[in-house]
Amino acid sequence: EAQVTQNPRYLITVTGKKLTVTCSQNMNHEYMSWYRQDPGLGLRQIYYSMNVEVTDKGDVPEGYKVSRKEKRNFPLILESPSPNQTSLYFCASSFVGLLGDTQYFGPGTRLTVL
Amino acid sequence: SQKIEQNSEALNIQEGKTATLTCNYTNYSPAYLQWYRQDPGRGPVFLLLIRENEKEKRKERLKVTFDTTLKQSLFHITASQPADSATYLCALGHSGGGADGLTFGKGTHLIIQP
Repeated sequence: EAQVTQNPRYLITVTGKKLTVTCSQNMNHEYMSWYRQDPGLGLRQIYYSMNVEVTDKGDVPEGYKVSRKEKRNFPLILESPSPNQTSLYFCASSFVGLLGDTQYFGPGTRLTVL
Repeated sequence: SQKIEQNSEALNIQEGKTATLTCNYTNYSPAYLQWYRQDPGRGPVFLLLIRENEKEKRKERLKVTFDTTLKQSLFHITASQPADSATYLCALGHSGGGADGLTFGKGTHLIIQP
């Protein structure tokens, strides 16, 4: 089954404790991205990657890191989480093509930073 | 600055009627526009894509229009059903192609009353 998986689905942590949210896709997509979703603010892009070893900042990259060492994986790293990073996070992937491609979203990771 | 506006208040529609959702944008020249459905606590699911040179797209009970002069897209669900209740997001893609930089509206919550 074609899918994007994220782990963990739920995480409660404390300020300053490094964490990683994993994302994996099995569709051989070149493009992967991370979004956060907050009430009243909608979906905002954090980082994206056009292919292996190619990453770039989205609209809200501060406090986050990513890496793309393999095509299928795109982990999101919070080196020193803070309470304002409490949010619902989504990973997405798609093929890269002209004039738009369907983005496939993961199930989401609900993160709470105390 | 770029701005995407969707009805911020919930839209209540009686079952069997046509639901019409609006997506307006300013300071933007999108190459394409996508509509997604999102259920509570889940990732968005792609519904339809329409390109800047297309006026209308249909898929089963769904219809999307795209007016680049008015800078507006309308999303219609005909013969609406309670199962259509969800939040619907529009997303605009930049000119030049590719999947980078997809910008989402905040979504409209649709409620279909039985």
